[in-house]
Amino acid sequence: KAGVTQTPRYLIKTRGQQVTLSCSPISGHRSVSWYQQTPGQGLQFLFEYFSETQRNKGNFPGRFSGRQFSNSRSEMNVSTLELGDSALYLCASSWATGGSTEAFFGQGTRLTVV
Amino acid sequence: GEDVEQSLFLSVREGDSSVINCTYTDSSSTYLYWYKQEPGAGLQLLTYIFSNMDMKQDQRLTVLLNKKDKHLSLRIADTQTGDSAIYFCAEKRVLTGGGNKLTFGTGTQLKVEL
Repeated sequence: KAGVTQTPRYLIKTRGQQVTLSCSPISGHRSVSWYQQTPGQGLQFLFEYFSETQRNKGNFPGRFSGRQFSNSRSEMNVSTLELGDSALYLCASSWATGGSTEAFFGQGTRLTVV
Repeated sequence: GEDVEQSLFLSVREGDSSVINCTYTDSSSTYLYWYKQEPGAGLQLLTYIFSNMDMKQDQRLTVLLNKKDKHLSLRIADTQTGDSAIYFCAEKRVLTGGGNKLTFGTGTQLKVEL
């Protein structure tokens, strides 16, 4: 069974540009969550999607958005990039959105904003 | 507050046991997790424990939970050089939107010396 796949693995963008990251969850999993990892802030929750609906959003500006498709694949978009958006973006996949399900992470997308 | 706290560093000799500690804040957390992160990689789920359990053992890993003190620990028996990594504890919180999120600790860097 394939794991969580995130593309691309590495990305370099210029300030002011926008970027789209992709996450394909484990087959059969319907919940996808996104996290940002930086040396200063650690791992921070961005948002969670379940059945194409955003269930929750973390404390991030509106420049951060996402969506989920009918096949459960998810994308997140960051517009008007800032230097501080440089981070490892991790996607987590789980079967459902209940409390008992394990969350499996992808390898992440390393975004560098210059 | 929302902080999940861990000590930053732990150094052990190969073959010894490692104990990584974590304190969490939300007494309503239903599940607590341990993840491992190797350099340049995503998060690998190691084990988890339900909040009504005191202990869970899985091969070389033992998780202890003291719910009264909101204290979680991960013991790795017979620690090997391949165990060198950053270890994150995380608590799963159910959110008002019906979904959930993981709140991570700061991570403990485990260094295994020969």
